[in-house]
Parts: sequence; C-alpha cells; structure tokens
Amino acid sequence: GESVGLHLPTLSVQEGDNSIINCAYSNSASDYFIWYKQESGKGPQFIIDIRSNMDKRQGQRVTVLLNKTVKHLSLQIAATQPGDSAVYFCADLNSGGYQKVTFGTGTKLQVIP
Amino acid sequence: GAGVSQSPSNKVTEKGKDVELRCDPISGHTALYWYRQSLGQGLEFLIYFQGNSAPDKSGLPSDRFSAERTGGSVSTLTIQRTQQEDSAVYLCASSLEWASGGNTQYFGPGTRLTVL
Repeated sequence: GESVGLHLPTLSVQEGDNSIINCAYSNSASDYFIWYKQESGKGPQFIIDIRSNMDKRQGQRVTVLLNKTVKHLSLQIAATQPGDSAVYFCADLNSGGYQKVTFGTGTKLQVIP
Repeated sequence: GAGVSQSPSNKVTEKGKDVELRCDPISGHTALYWYRQSLGQGLEFLIYFQGNSAPDKSGLPSDRFSAERTGGSVSTLTIQRTQQEDSAVYLCASSLEWASGGNTQYFGPGTRLTVL
C-alpha cells in the first residue's frame, strides 16, 4: 500500500448496494495482500487475504481481486450493511523477506441507511 | 487472553514528560509490531520484533522513541520528552512467524496519547 499520509478518501454507499474499495501498491515483490477493517475507536481487524498466485478470493459477502500487472487490489462488499461502515486498509508484503507490512492510506466507507 | 491487549487505553500527558505504553500480544505469537496512527490517517510503522532477532527500528521517528520486548512477550513503547506532534493512537499487533504460515496481524485496541 502507498502510505502517503493524505486525508482519507470517502466512499458513500446506499445500504443494500455493493461497495468496491480500491487500493494500489508499489512493491513489485509483494506477494501477499490483506484487507483490514477499522471501526471507530478500535484497532484494525483482518477481513480477507490473497496470495499472488491467485487473482480472486471470496469470503462471506467479501471478494478480493488482485491485478498484479497494474499492482491493484480491490475489495468488494456485497449487500453493504450499516455495520460495514468503517475505514478499510489494504496491506502488502513480501513473504520472502521478514514481515514488515506496508499499509495503504485507507478508505472510509459510509453506509447510508 | 483471546486477543492483543494494550494499556492504558487513553493517556493524557504534558509536553516534556515521558510516557510508557504497554502491549500484551497473543500467546504464542513471535512477531510484534508497533504502529502510530494520527487522526484520519493511515498506519505508520514504528518498530518490529521477531523472536530473539534484533528488532527493526527503522520506523522510529526520533531517538525519543524506544521499545523493548521482554521475554519474547510483553512489549513497552517509551516516548521521552513528549511533544504535541506525538499525539496519536499507538497500535500494537502480533502475528505468528511466517514459517508457521501465519502472516495475519492481530491488532490491539490502541492507546490514544494526547500531549498537551
């Protein structure tokens, strides 16, 4: 992820719609990618991960897509619910090295009831 | 405990004072990380401990910041002569060593530090 310290971009989504949160990473050697959800006043919480030998992985209501060609990662949330309102961070690392993880700036998801 | 715990949850201090922040990682996790998160911003890496290896201190912003990890478990982050720009949420995370197949970091709730 590109941690550039900017103000958080915000995505507003109507309840029940699908959400797509995007992330770009810069390290071509990264081969493991993670999405975290951070609710107000709490630490980040693991949502889903994907390794570089895959381009798609599905969880419960969430799907992560990986495009290594353009170094892009996306998180899709189906049927967005008010409880999905949070800041979402992507993170990438090179598993061949040690575990220093680079976090993206984050995207704030606001669900409109 | 079930997760990573941090104490205190909130700390208000005066400029110039020293503070200590504590992190209790998940039992069995050999890797421990400290991050700093300023209001509305991303996570800034501070320091990383892995087992008995020398810690990666490359993210510490100044020599006023230091961290220890005793016995491979509990960690303390110390900030000396605090400045107002140190005000942030300090997050701790732990994970299994990669060789065990676990890279997922589990975060604590954070310590909110306010320097007046």
